[in-house]
This record gives sequence, C-alpha cells and structure tokens, in this order.
Amino acid sequence: EAGVAQSPRYKIIEKRQSVAFWCNPISGHATLYWYQQILGQGPKLLIQFQNNGVVDDSQLPKDRFSAERLKGVDSTLKIQPAKLEDSAVYLCASIPGLAYNEQFFGPGTRLTVL
Amino acid sequence: GQQLNQSPQSMFIQEGEDVSMNCTSSSIFNTWLWYKQDPGEGPVLLIALYKAGELTSNGRLTAQFGITRKDSFLNISASIPSDVGIYFCAGQVSSGSARQLTFGSGTQLTVLP
Repeated sequence: EAGVAQSPRYKIIEKRQSVAFWCNPISGHATLYWYQQILGQGPKLLIQFQNNGVVDDSQLPKDRFSAERLKGVDSTLKIQPAKLEDSAVYLCASIPGLAYNEQFFGPGTRLTVL
Repeated sequence: GQQLNQSPQSMFIQEGEDVSMNCTSSSIFNTWLWYKQDPGEGPVLLIALYKAGELTSNGRLTAQFGITRKDSFLNISASIPSDVGIYFCAGQVSSGSARQLTFGSGTQLTVLP
C-alpha cells in the first residue's frame, strides 16, 4: 500500500512570495491533516479535513494560509505571502476515518523563507 | 491550548543500554501515541495506548498509559544504532468529528557505538 505522498520535498522562497504544497493521502483515507513542524519542536496541527469538508481550522493563520481538498482526495496548502517565521516542515497525515486514531504521515515539505 | 512536557530533550547512550523517556500533561488524554521521526521523514507510529494503566510492548519498545491519563512513558531496551532519531509523544482527545493530536517537543536520541 502506498504511503502519504507530498511534493515538493524542498522549497526555498523569499519573504512575501507565495508557495503551495501538495498532499495525496493513502487511498481511501477520508480524514486528512496538515501540520507545521518548526525546527526543534513537535508537529502542530494547522487544519483537519473530513472528505472535502473542514473539521477544524482554528489554528490556521487565515490571513496568509489557506487549504483546500476540493474532491476529498488530495489537498493543497498555500501560504501567501510568506514570512520568515513560516520556515518549517509542513507535514500531511491521513487516517481511514474518524474511528481510527493512528495517523500516517507523509515525508513533509521543508520550506525555507529567506 | 493543551501542552505536553516531554523529557529529556536529548539523550546520549551507549549501544546496548536501556533508555526511558516520558511525557506529562496538565490535561487528560483518551489516547497516547509514541512516534519516531528520522531526518527528512515524517513521524512513524511506534506504539498506541488506549486505556489508562495499559502497558504495551512492540519488540524492544515498551510504553505505558498513566493511570491519571495525564502521562506516558516509553522504554527502549538494549539500544542499537538504528534507534537514533527523535521520539515524540502525542496525546489525543476525541471530540465529535475531531481526532487531533497534540505533540510533545521530542527527545533526540543518540546511540554511541
């Protein structure tokens, strides 16, 4: 079974530029999460999707971050415009459904904002 | 928001030694999970705990869900070089349709030959 796929793996941009990350969860997984992991810290939840609907985006900085999962499969996270403090690894995770607790993570996208 | 205090922050041990790390919280969790993260990779689940007092093993790894539901520990016995990595605890409170994890800050483990 293929794991969670993310691209790109690395991205370097200058502050005030825009960037987008893509995630394809494990086939059949209805629930998808985006996390931000700053160096030296644990992952911090940004947004949770259930199929194509948002369950919780309370920790998403909505002035600059947006995310969508239009068809309930793959998802895109966007930052516009980026700030220096957005430098982090952005992780995507999925679970088959809400009866499951064990999240499966992708390899992440490492973003560096200069 | 909920916070997890994970300790120690880093450990240097000799190959073959046992190691222990723990997490504490001011909040109650319904589920505790332990993940390992290698450089350039996402976290990989090691052990999941679902009941207060539960003690679960996975090979050389043993983890326990504290009776108060506010803490958990992970033990690794007879460490080997491939145990090197960052270990994270994560607590989960299930509420409605939300299944969300709160992560600790991680324990960086180095195994010396």
